[in-house]
Amino acid sequence: AQSVAQPEDQVNVAEGNPLTVKCTYSVSGNPYLFWYVQYPNRGLQFLLKYITGDNLVKGSYGFEAEFNKSQTSFHLKKPSALVSDSALYFCAVRDIQDTGGFKTIFGAGTRLFVKA
Amino acid sequence: DGGITQSPKYLFRKEGQNVTLSCEQNLNHDAMYWYRQDPGQGLRLIYYSQIVNDFQKGDIAEGYSVSREKKESFPLTVTSAQKNPTAFYLCASSILAMGTGELFFGEGSRLTVL
Repeated sequence: AQSVAQPEDQVNVAEGNPLTVKCTYSVSGNPYLFWYVQYPNRGLQFLLKYITGDNLVKGSYGFEAEFNKSQTSFHLKKPSALVSDSALYFCAVRDIQDTGGFKTIFGAGTRLFVKA
Repeated sequence: DGGITQSPKYLFRKEGQNVTLSCEQNLNHDAMYWYRQDPGQGLRLIYYSQIVNDFQKGDIAEGYSVSREKKESFPLTVTSAQKNPTAFYLCASSILAMGTGELFFGEGSRLTVL
């Protein structure tokens, strides 16, 4: 079965510094990987995805992620953090079912704190 | 604007009562999903549906039921059989497109059992 792991419960970074939120995956076959962000008491918002092609994927709000097949990682990055980036971030992988359907499996989430 | 609407946003229930959470989408998406979110546990899949009149159990379906009579609607009933129903419930939809489509989420419904 497919799975993702987010090894850090929390990441702290100063405003203006680069940030990285880590994600590793375990899949059979080609991975479909996603990052989502959640603000308090809100639904999740899609940030970016890797399906195929370039290993560096650019997404919303200046975020990007690097797909690394040899390290089975899909870390989320931003060159310069903003206080408004403080939120809960989820890595996810698409799992293909025997029935031909799809479901998305989420990591436990990483809380990002950006200090002014 | 296209999107997903969940209602109610907050719901209180007495033990032994069934409650139904509404989820409506006008994105013309085929697939719809219900997730449960508990602190520190990420999102866990309850049920999903890829076509009208068909749905599949997710990882934690016990104590829940769903229906998909219309493409736009995927209501979730939390039954009295659900032992610990207090949680944040999220509805989502996506295009099927070979599994490459991202999920679009509603704003969530917070259920509290008194």
